[in-house]
Amino acid sequence: RKEVEQDPGPFNVPEGATVAFNCTYSNSASQSFFWYRQDCRKEPKLLMSVYSSGNEDGRFTAQLNRASQYISLLIRDSKLSDSATYLCVVNYNDYKLSFGAGTTVTVRA
Amino acid sequence: NAGVTQTPKFQVLKTGQSMTLQCAQDMNHNSMYWYRQDPGMGLRLIYYSASEGTTDKGEVPNGYNVSRLNKREFSLRLESAAPSQTSVYFCASSETNTGELFFGEGSRLTVL
Repeated sequence: RKEVEQDPGPFNVPEGATVAFNCTYSNSASQSFFWYRQDCRKEPKLLMSVYSSGNEDGRFTAQLNRASQYISLLIRDSKLSDSATYLCVVNYNDYKLSFGAGTTVTVRA
Repeated sequence: NAGVTQTPKFQVLKTGQSMTLQCAQDMNHNSMYWYRQDPGMGLRLIYYSASEGTTDKGEVPNGYNVSRLNKREFSLRLESAAPSQTSVYFCASSETNTGELFFGEGSRLTVL
């Protein structure tokens, strides 16, 4: 079983729509959680950290559910520029982050 | 703002050839990493260096060696390339072991 699993998508949504997707992790000892964004043929970049109480950054909202071992990302008022692959990242051991394979989001005009 | 710089960006090798991927960061980070990314799989850690002078194996170290030349530079060497090493390789650095990772632009390696 993979340590971090994501629905690969693609999620194909119109501009202005809300899109949400989850990521599940297998190690209950996981300590910290992140969402990274990766544009096509580019390097990953940190989108946001995920805190236990949930957190927002503009149109992006991240939630953590430790009991069910998943994190979620919600994007409101989608923009064309939100089209990317979103990588779920879990840290359960110093220096060793586990990356999900990514969820692809395509926002259409 | 250079950040993390990797070279080369593209490389084609024949099976059995060797090569070294170079990585340098200018952010004075202690920790550096080498990942590979394959379709349908998350990034997998090959080796990491928690600080200058130390290196440790990650999830998929077989077939690779690394050198932390100094605080800025962390190189990845393929001694005898195999087709299974065809991948996109990313170097990354971070200030702390739990901090944000800053990635290079990636090196696309094809082994024939």
